[in-house]
Amino acid sequence: AQSVTQPDIHITVSEGASLELRCNYSYGATPYLFWYVQSPGQGLQLLLKYFSGDTLVQGIKGFEAEFKRSQSSFNLRKPSVHWSDAAEYFCAVAGGSYIPTFGRGTSLIVHP
Amino acid sequence: KAGVTQTPRYLIKTRGQQVTLSCSPISGHRSVSWYQQTPGQGLQFLFEYFSETQRNKGNFPGRFSGRQFSNSRSEMNVSTLELGDSALYLCASSREGRKEDGYTFGSGTRLTVV
Repeated sequence: AQSVTQPDIHITVSEGASLELRCNYSYGATPYLFWYVQSPGQGLQLLLKYFSGDTLVQGIKGFEAEFKRSQSSFNLRKPSVHWSDAAEYFCAVAGGSYIPTFGRGTSLIVHP
Repeated sequence: KAGVTQTPRYLIKTRGQQVTLSCSPISGHRSVSWYQQTPGQGLQFLFEYFSETQRNKGNFPGRFSGRQFSNSRSEMNVSTLELGDSALYLCASSREGRKEDGYTFGSGTRLTVV
């Protein structure tokens, strides 16, 4: 079975500060991993994905994520947060089933 | 190119009624998946359709059903609505429904059951 945990329900950062959102997955082999962002009242938008190769992947909007097999993690990072990054962020894993399982999400609050 | 289109955006229904939601995927995408999103349960998978066939189904009661047409447009139906069905229903499409594809989501239909 596949599962994903996002340990932080809310994260608050100041505009211009760096950001790291945590994601831990459970799956026996290398899974397919995704990060999505959801703005209020909208659907989810794919930020980036990983399934093989370089463990540091670049995505849209200046985001990147690093796959660490030893820690079963796929944390999302951004060096400098903008107020427009305030949203809900979801990590997802697709392992044995190609239907992805989503985490419960992390709400990002950006202070001016 | 046009994104995933879901209609209607908002619905208010009464307990016991039934409702049909519509989803038009991105042109060329053959896989359509439906998710229910609630604050309490997060994103839960309902079902996936590929080439007019239900290929996967989540753990929802039989009151939830769907179908896909030859042009890949999909509908989902919920019969005998319950208060707990109030949620944001999201449709997501992908080209072939493969693991590595990732989804393109619509903006959702906000269903309120009163």
